[in-house]
Amino acid sequence: GEDVEQSLFLSVREGDSSVINCTYTDSSSTYLYWYKQEPGAGLQLLTYIFSNMDMKQDQRLTVLLNKKDKHLSLRIADTQTGDSAIYFCAEKRYSTLTFGKGTMLLVSP
Amino acid sequence: DADVTQTPRNRITKTGKRIMLECSQTKGHDRMYWYRQDPGLGLRLIYYSFDVKDINKGEISDGYSVSRQAQAKFSLSLESAIPNQTALYFCATSDPLTGMDGYTFGSGTRLTVV
Repeated sequence: GEDVEQSLFLSVREGDSSVINCTYTDSSSTYLYWYKQEPGAGLQLLTYIFSNMDMKQDQRLTVLLNKKDKHLSLRIADTQTGDSAIYFCAEKRYSTLTFGKGTMLLVSP
Repeated sequence: DADVTQTPRNRITKTGKRIMLECSQTKGHDRMYWYRQDPGLGLRLIYYSFDVKDINKGEISDGYSVSRQAQAKFSLSLESAIPNQTALYFCATSDPLTGMDGYTFGSGTRLTVV
């Protein structure tokens, strides 16, 4: 199947904003998701957006969706060292989730 | 207790051995999934089940089988383990009635085949 694409690595300084980008494949996807994986742990649902929305804000997290370009982004404001993790975007395709390869976010003090 | 429990957490096994990974959940969800995670490859779907009598192959089912013993239990078997099945395995559940149907993941089983 076609891939959900993400850049593999992002490095930022504490206090800066982080933007993680993703391109997905299925224009009929109803929901798109962002998951966070900390070392040695499973994936934790961070946020999601319904396909008829352009933006969703949840505290420090902002999700932007461009359906025309099939582009999804996650902005983390005031990034903290505790935000260091792997971030996965995912789309619901045929009733299951298809994940990108993950973006490793490294936050330095 | 965790909502989704996977056992064992870590396992080392020899090539050719049969091994079973177990998953149980307390969320009362009908839908359960098995994924494997490999560095640089993300998560890939192995099998999924939408209720006790429903089993479906995912993207990479070859070399694996599953059993849905009850609503709460979904086990993954490797009939004859091979080294390229060394990976981190995740079980997940979801509830489509929530609309957005987000997954709840277990903590994973790290499997090494030598």
